[in-house]
Amino acid sequence: QLQLQESGPGLVKPSETLSLTCTVSGGSLRSRHYYWGWIRQLPGKRLEWIGSIFHSENTYYNPPLKSRVTISLDTSKNQFSLKLSPVTAADTAVYYCARGVGIKWFDPWGQGTLVTVSS
Amino acid sequence: DIQMTQSPSSLSASVGDRVTITCQASQDIGKYLNWYQQKPGKAPKLLIYDSSNLQTGVPSRFSGSGSGTDFTFTISSLQPEDIATYYCQQYDNLPLFGGGTKVEIK
Repeated sequence: QLQLQESGPGLVKPSETLSLTCTVSGGSLRSRHYYWGWIRQLPGKRLEWIGSIFHSENTYYNPPLKSRVTISLDTSKNQFSLKLSPVTAADTAVYYCARGVGIKWFDPWGQGTLVTVSS
Repeated sequence: DIQMTQSPSSLSASVGDRVTITCQASQDIGKYLNWYQQKPGKAPKLLIYDSSNLQTGVPSRFSGSGSGTDFTFTISSLQPEDIATYYCQQYDNLPLFGGGTKVEIK
């Protein structure tokens, strides 16, 4: 059964870089059937897709975040990562990683990790 | 840009009731609409994809319908374990989620 687990700092200072890693178990990132994505849930509970990656060759980012986001894949570790920079308080959210069928739908999701942006 | 309007934002119903949630897109999205369930403190879980397809393992009391701009999600007989917030999500262009509907037991 595929499982995803987010990891990274829970507190980031404004203007710095948010870095998160998603470790995948029970399946391979080398699969050519799936994409791998990041979604966040803002304090008001709104869900926002951040971006997705397919095989390190193709990345898709949400336009409002595109200039600040990088998603990458490390198939040797079966991990994919999110970098968001620079951050502000508005980036405080629970960040989820998920497997995607394209960028059509997401299943399953990791348990999520809260990142707070504060000095 | 496509806008998604989900309603109601919350509802309260009795066990065994039929519950209906709607999601309206600001433009035609065909059948590119999914539904998720998020229980308190948990990650969202995919229930329905492409408007009406039940994800594997999801109970048959959940269903979805619609196309174009108007979509409906139904729980045919509300159970205590269905207490959650439900989100629609379109992918006609890039993924975009609705605002959510919180379902409570009366």
